[in-house]
Amino acid sequence: NAGVTQTPKFRILKIGQSMTLQCTQDMNHNYMYWYRQDPGMGLKLIYYSVGAGITDKGEVPNGYNVSRSTTEDFPLRLELAAPSQTSVYFCASSLTSGRQSYNEQFFGPGTRLTVL
Amino acid sequence: ILNVEQSPQSLHVQEGDSTNFTCSFPSSNFYALHWYRWETAKSPEALFVMTLNGDEKKKGRISATLNTKEGYSYLYIKGSQPEDSATYLCAPDSNYQLIWGAGTKLIIKP
Repeated sequence: NAGVTQTPKFRILKIGQSMTLQCTQDMNHNYMYWYRQDPGMGLKLIYYSVGAGITDKGEVPNGYNVSRSTTEDFPLRLELAAPSQTSVYFCASSLTSGRQSYNEQFFGPGTRLTVL
Repeated sequence: ILNVEQSPQSLHVQEGDSTNFTCSFPSSNFYALHWYRWETAKSPEALFVMTLNGDEKKKGRISATLNTKEGYSYLYIKGSQPEDSATYLCAPDSNYQLIWGAGTKLIIKP
């Protein structure tokens, strides 16, 4: 299994440009997550999905959109890039979540995004 | 939103010494406590998922304890090795989301 894969690994955007960060997992996990990680800060949840067709906002959703058309894929869309979105973005997945079970999250390698 | 604090922020330890650090969080409204290990230039990897008060987990030289009543967890590393150098993250699981601490950066000096 490849686990969680993300593309691209690096990207530089100009202010106002748009792009999609790709995330794919091959573990048949129901839950998928997008985080951003800023220096000195913990991981902040942007959006998450509990299954195909279902998404919900996390702590910092503004400026981002997601979709979950399949179990495997969970792309993150930036519509109008701003310097504040300069960050490292991680996609993660887990089999389940919540109090019914306590599954660990598996992370992709990350995408380093710079907005100039 | 839970406020998760990890201390210290960074830690330098001599190779062979043992060490520990803390994760503290509000003692209510969470279902589990996760510990992750994050090496530089890699992705976070799960160490432990802890669910019960008094729970203790062990993986090799690394162990963790959980006190749900007072809202803290300790991570212990016995006989530190250079490969233990990493950032250690804790995350309470609340309402289907993990709330991440900023981490403790551990540097092992040879």
